[in-house]
Amino acid sequence: DAGITQSPRHKVTETGTPVTLRCHQTENHRYMYWYRQDPGHGLRLIHYSYGVKDTDKGEVSDGYSVSRSKTEDFLLTLESATSSQTSVYFCAISAAGTGTYEQYFGPGTRLTVT
Amino acid sequence: AQSVTQLDSHVSVSEGTPVLLRCNYSSSYSPSLFWYVQHPNKGLQLLLKYTSAATLVKGINGFEAEFKKSETSFHLTKPSAHMSDAAEYFCVVSDKEGNTGKLIFGQGTTLQVKP
Repeated sequence: DAGITQSPRHKVTETGTPVTLRCHQTENHRYMYWYRQDPGHGLRLIHYSYGVKDTDKGEVSDGYSVSRSKTEDFLLTLESATSSQTSVYFCAISAAGTGTYEQYFGPGTRLTVT
Repeated sequence: AQSVTQLDSHVSVSEGTPVLLRCNYSSSYSPSLFWYVQHPNKGLQLLLKYTSAATLVKGINGFEAEFKKSETSFHLTKPSAHMSDAAEYFCVVSDKEGNTGKLIFGQGTTLQVKP
């Protein structure tokens, strides 16, 4: 299994509070991604990173920000959590740019906003 | 633009019978295609991938998929279903525009395996 961990694995928070989710990899891959998974919507890309300090928006980026200060860590922040952000969040990594496109996923973080 | 359509949201089979999960894709580029599996409360696991080599691709746990360019399909099959195959399956196409490594996911097919 690819070396990807996510923390925390479960979190319950209140509306309006800030939340940060962490993704850590040991594979030294350049690309990292944050997705959310909701019933009926499959996986939707929130933000991705193509290198240290290089990030870009995905299809559902509103209300989220990211940071990547080291190759191995990619942080997802909800500045002010809302109930619509209750979801399961997955981090993924990829060696894209080397001719390979598959992504490897972390175990997920289940976030509940009350 | 790239897109992927999984033709069945739910498939039910009996243990020991064949599995067929259908996927059609649309791509402006020579596509890379994948199938991922997600067991309940787990992350996604790569089942198999097509990257323009052999059109019949073999994956883990006895699954395989055939790339058919003329039909723009990439259906997933298994000769004999096992109870442990019950899971959600995602057909995925790579978005090669801009070389961002982004993937485009289908909506998923839930496979139920009955004893």
